[in-house]
Amino acid sequence: GAVVSQHPSRVICKSGTSVKIECRSLDFQATTMFWYRQFPKQSLMLMATSNEGSKATYEQGVEKDKFLINHASLTLSTLTVTSAHPEDSSFYICSAREVDTSTDTQYFGPGTRLTVL
Amino acid sequence: GENVEQHPSTLSVQEGDSAVIKCTYSDSASNYFPWYKQELGKRPQLIIDIRSNVGEKKDQRIAVTLNKTAKHFSLHITETQPEDSAVYFCAASGGGGNQFYFGTGTSLTVIP
Repeated sequence: GAVVSQHPSRVICKSGTSVKIECRSLDFQATTMFWYRQFPKQSLMLMATSNEGSKATYEQGVEKDKFLINHASLTLSTLTVTSAHPEDSSFYICSAREVDTSTDTQYFGPGTRLTVL
Repeated sequence: GENVEQHPSTLSVQEGDSAVIKCTYSDSASNYFPWYKQELGKRPQLIIDIRSNVGEKKDQRIAVTLNKTAKHFSLHITETQPEDSAVYFCAASGGGGNQFYFGTGTSLTVIP
């Protein structure tokens, strides 16, 4: 149980285009999902907290107009990188926290490697 | 906000020896401390966690200790095996939200 998927696993795009990444909880419902960014050999940096049915909460320094987050259902959150530039190239990972449970555990997706040319 | 520091950044041990990774946190309201293992190019996997009402937790070769007063917690891996080689991240959570704040990671290499 507690499986989180991400799609796509890899994406290469041209500078200026937008890229959408999907995060799904496959066998549980998640009121809260989280989006992280990870540079090579570095830690996971929390970008934003995605709440089902409400606006996402962004961490300091993360541009909300650049990284659009939509959490339309209890099993799906999307991250759209708008007008992507080479500096947006990174590994993006989502995680999900299960509804109606006392556990604080987050389950991670497999990540999406974004390369902007 | 929460600030989590982790040491060492790299650690090499001989197979069979123990490995210890230490983390400190800044927000005294944090009450949940998970440890994740991440292999290259893969997702982080939870290996053990501890809550602030517990001082120590053990699961086979892995243990975590927590000192709330000093605001630090440690991961202990005994009888290390080559498959323990990975990057380990600590995290702190609970100070006002569900967010996890991760340490900078420790790259563990177990030498056969």
